[in-house]
Amino acid sequence: DVKVTQSSRYLVKRTGEKVFLECVQDMDHENMFWYRQDPGLGLRLIYFSYDVKMKEKGDIPEGYSVSREKKERFSLILESASTNQTSMYLCASSPQTLGSPLHFGNGTRLTVT
Amino acid sequence: AQKVTQAQTEISVVEKEDVTLDCVYETRDTTYYLFWYKQPPSGELVFLIRRNSFDEQNEISGRYSWNFQKSTSSFNFTITASQVVDSAVYFCALNRGDTGRRALTFGSGTRLQVQP
Repeated sequence: DVKVTQSSRYLVKRTGEKVFLECVQDMDHENMFWYRQDPGLGLRLIYFSYDVKMKEKGDIPEGYSVSREKKERFSLILESASTNQTSMYLCASSPQTLGSPLHFGNGTRLTVT
Repeated sequence: AQKVTQAQTEISVVEKEDVTLDCVYETRDTTYYLFWYKQPPSGELVFLIRRNSFDEQNEISGRYSWNFQKSTSSFNFTITASQVVDSAVYFCALNRGDTGRRALTFGSGTRLQVQP
């Protein structure tokens, strides 16, 4: 089974802090994704990466950056956390085969106070 | 641009009732893929099914069935004889079929509550 592991289940940070969310997958998938989930809005794509050091902006990249230095690890960075970034963050991975489903981690619930 | 609409925000049924979750999509692509995911209270999204745009056959898996109709751009999901364990948020999603370097576009989800 594919395992996507997010480093924290719950995080509480203060406004203005730099926040790192880490994600690791163990199936050698080329693609990795960060989504944000908010009630009534579903899942919205923040960034994705299709290869090491490659990244593409999703629908809501403002206020976020990402890093992919190794194939198995994809980090989401909040440069200066704000209260409107309080949300559930979901990491996913997939192979680059057409039509492949995404495999998700358990999510990180981030609260910014 | 692609779009997925799940107009039903929340549905509540009593156990053993049948329930249909609606999904309507928009895309200009001729090749695309549609997905359903389940998110139980534990939070992890679980993949349920994938269909490609060239395969309009309906699919049944136990109590679950899916009806794909290109003419109405819909990919509806029916649970027969619902059970309390079916309580979850269900997401419909769409992916382009031109390359494997694509992210899924998700709908806003439908929360299903099955009462005992």
